[in-house]
Amino acid sequence: QVQLVQSGAEVKKPGASVKVSCKASGYTFISYEINWIRQAPGQGFEWMGWMNPKNGNTDYAQSFQGRVIMTRDTSTNTAYMELNSLRSDDTAVYYCARGASGLYYWGQGTLVAVSS
Amino acid sequence: DIVMTQSPDSLAVSLGERATINCKSSQSVLYTSNNKNYLAWYQQKPGQPPKLLIYLASTRESGVPDRFSGSGSGTNFTLTISSLQAEDVAVYYCQQYYNIPRTFGGGTKVEFK
Repeated sequence: QVQLVQSGAEVKKPGASVKVSCKASGYTFISYEINWIRQAPGQGFEWMGWMNPKNGNTDYAQSFQGRVIMTRDTSTNTAYMELNSLRSDDTAVYYCARGASGLYYWGQGTLVAVSS
Repeated sequence: DIVMTQSPDSLAVSLGERATINCKSSQSVLYTSNNKNYLAWYQQKPGQPPKLLIYLASTRESGVPDRFSGSGSGTNFTLTISSLQAEDVAVYYCQQYYNIPRTFGGGTKVEFK
């Protein structure tokens, strides 16, 4: 069955970087885009961008341009999302997700807490 | 960016009664080439990722109970729970996937009255 398994929670200081992984299994990794979405505590969802695992092409939301990098390792079927210059308002649960029409498969989420 | 506006913010419904959630997009999410609306509905329970309920505005995902239905076209959409069950208490979100960036509504919390 399709699974997206994310890396564990992180605590970072302001100005630092975080890299979250999303390991895919149960399907052909290069066949579906991986989206990254975040949810601040008690808030709604913010789409950060997506990556085509076949060629590594990315498309980022304007609000994250210059601060986010999405990559992949096709040898391990793993997608990565790196967010730089962290601020306190980046504290959120970060999800990877996949789907052709709507997002059907989601990772379990990774809490990133930014605090001095 | 397409702005998705949901109403109401919260909704208290008695067990077995109907719940109706609205979602309005700032521009049409209807692809005229295939006459399909690129709009999805999700259910989120505490501590869990969202669950896809409806895609293409009105197509129920496999395994989703038929008390959930989606309707609407263009810029105005509705998610209806025909008879609220205990397990339906959750927050519901709409999302457009017509263009980039994908955007979500602010969510509607459904509770028991």
